[in-house]
Amino acid sequence: AQTVTQSQPEMSVQEAETVTLSCTYDTSESNYYLFWYKQPPSRQMILVIRQEAYKQQNATENRFSVNFQKAAKSFSLKISDSQLGDTAMYFCAFSRMEYGNKLVFGAGTILRVKS
Amino acid sequence: AAGVIQSPRHLIKEKRETATLKCYPIPRHDTVYWYQQGPGQDPQFLISFYEKMQSDKGSIPDRFSAQQFSDYHSELNMSSLELGDSALYFCASSPIGLARQYFGPGTRLTVT
Repeated sequence: AQTVTQSQPEMSVQEAETVTLSCTYDTSESNYYLFWYKQPPSRQMILVIRQEAYKQQNATENRFSVNFQKAAKSFSLKISDSQLGDTAMYFCAFSRMEYGNKLVFGAGTILRVKS
Repeated sequence: AAGVIQSPRHLIKEKRETATLKCYPIPRHDTVYWYQQGPGQDPQFLISFYEKMQSDKGSIPDRFSAQQFSDYHSELNMSSLELGDSALYFCASSPIGLARQYFGPGTRLTVT
């Protein structure tokens, strides 16, 4: 079974600064997907970024980028130029490569962006 | 762009009652997933359907059942409700060949 661990329950950052959220996972699979989801106070689940394990290049989406270390089973999210609207719960998630597989989530990290 | 629709958005039931949650996936999405998110917790996978057949099953209580209909919408039926069933229930859908799940806004179920 796959497990996802987020060791930072809460983090805070000043507006315009950079913050990194940590995630580690455990799996015996060699190919899989990793995701970061954002859940703002509205409780909507919003996909922030996705990484395919077979790709060595780290995924980036505007101000969001990941540091994917496959051997270490680590998948951190870096948010640059933090904005007040980034305040949310962030979940790291794992999915097996086969189509239609469920998401396994970590416990989440609450990020607060301060002005 | 069309999104996943869930109804109702809020539902209040008493213990031992029955609830039905509905999910309408994005058009041409053939897979539907159900997740349960308790207060302060991460979403937990309940069950999924692909082309109207159950494709995977998670920690779904025997009191719960679900199905996907010919128009691809899905319903989660919950019977003998317990206080611990109070949660946010998400439906997500994905199109064939794309490893990305699009989440609906959720149904907030409160059992009193």
